[in-house]
Amino acid sequence: NAGVTQTPKFRILKIGQSMTLQCTQDMNHNYMYWYRQDPGMGLKLIYYSVGAGITDKGEVPNGYNVSRSTTEDFPLRLELAAPSQTSVYFCASRGPAEQGSGGYTFGSGTRLTVV
Amino acid sequence: QQQVKQSPQSLIVQKGGISIINCAYENTAFDYFPWYQQFPGKGPALLIAIRPDVSEKKEGRFTISFNKSAKQFSLHIMDSQPGDSATYFCAAYFSGTYKYIFGTGTRLKVLA
Repeated sequence: NAGVTQTPKFRILKIGQSMTLQCTQDMNHNYMYWYRQDPGMGLKLIYYSVGAGITDKGEVPNGYNVSRSTTEDFPLRLELAAPSQTSVYFCASRGPAEQGSGGYTFGSGTRLTVV
Repeated sequence: QQQVKQSPQSLIVQKGGISIINCAYENTAFDYFPWYQQFPGKGPALLIAIRPDVSEKKEGRFTISFNKSAKQFSLHIMDSQPGDSATYFCAAYFSGTYKYIFGTGTRLKVLA
């Protein structure tokens, strides 16, 4: 099993450009998440989804958009990139285990630099 | 109330020593507490987890100690090895929220 696959692994954007970070999972997980990781700041939740067609904002959603048309895919869209969006982005998924058990499966991340 | 406070930010331990990382929370509704391990260039991976009805859980060299009354939990790494050098995150979850709250992470370095 591939688990959670993120593409691209690295990307440099110019201020004002847009891009989509791709995330796909092959575990038939209902729950999917996007986090950003900044040095010393831990993991901040951007958006999450509890199933196809259902998304909700996390702690830091401004400047981002998501969609969930299928169970497998959960792309993150950056519109009008800003230097503050320079970060490492992680996608994660989780199965339907009770009370949160089983943990997240994370992708390997996308390192984004906005210049 | 949704925060999980993690300390220390960084930790250096000699090979064979004990590494201890602490986390504290406020929200008593949290009912699941996992620890994640992250190596450079990789995503975090689930290491060990505990529920509040248990005071301690051990898996190999890794132990979670949980103090419900103090609203604190900690990760102990016994006989620490250079291969344990990584960033460790604690997290908390309560049913119905669908998501974990993460601590800020601890960068552990084990000296050979």
